[in-house]
Amino acid sequence: ETGVTQTPRHLVMGMTNKKSLKCEQHLGHNAMYWYKQSAKKPLELMFVYNFKEQTENNSVPSRFSPECPNSSHLFLHLHTLQPEDSALYLCASSQASWGSTGELFFGEGSRLTVL
Amino acid sequence: RKEVEQDPGPFNVPEGATVAFNCTYSNSASQSFFWYRQDCRKEPKLLMSVYSSGNEDGRFTAQLNRASQYISLLIRDSKLSDSATYLCVVNRLVGSQGNLIFGKGTKLSVKP
Repeated sequence: ETGVTQTPRHLVMGMTNKKSLKCEQHLGHNAMYWYKQSAKKPLELMFVYNFKEQTENNSVPSRFSPECPNSSHLFLHLHTLQPEDSALYLCASSQASWGSTGELFFGEGSRLTVL
Repeated sequence: RKEVEQDPGPFNVPEGATVAFNCTYSNSASQSFFWYRQDCRKEPKLLMSVYSSGNEDGRFTAQLNRASQYISLLIRDSKLSDSATYLCVVNRLVGSQGNLIFGKGTKLSVKP
């Protein structure tokens, strides 16, 4: 079983749709993250959850709404997205907040296309 | 100035070559430094941490110069399987919370 699993791997949605991305980690970690990776841009941190509490919201528009019901699961709810939101959304986990080892374990990502 | 800047790349090198990547960071409060590797259409994975005294892992050598705010990665005897994008990553503490800041990455292509 892979450490961090994301579903769906690919998603195409219209601007008026509502969809959710799911992430599950099997590593026993306490921190989970959402990153956005667009072409020719560095990875952008979106949200951080540490022990199920949101500790960072990196000025993300409200059309992205995270949810962390427990330390193993993380969701990203999407609604009324824009075409410029098309990107690869990567979930990651780490032992605790990343101050210590700097090692994040990423999922394979959900590639989102907004039409 | 971007917080983490890397060589633009791409680097196209023959097998067996030695290749070096450079990275600079702008925030002197940065505490820890790392190199990640991202294969095409795959997720990033930690390659190695970068220590003040420099460190080596097989064919890979990482160095840090805090005074110049500069990090490097040297790959010796390049293999085809080294082809990937190499991401420079800096951990900057904000209060008690660390933020991992990623560079855009440098693409390496090793040719036979």
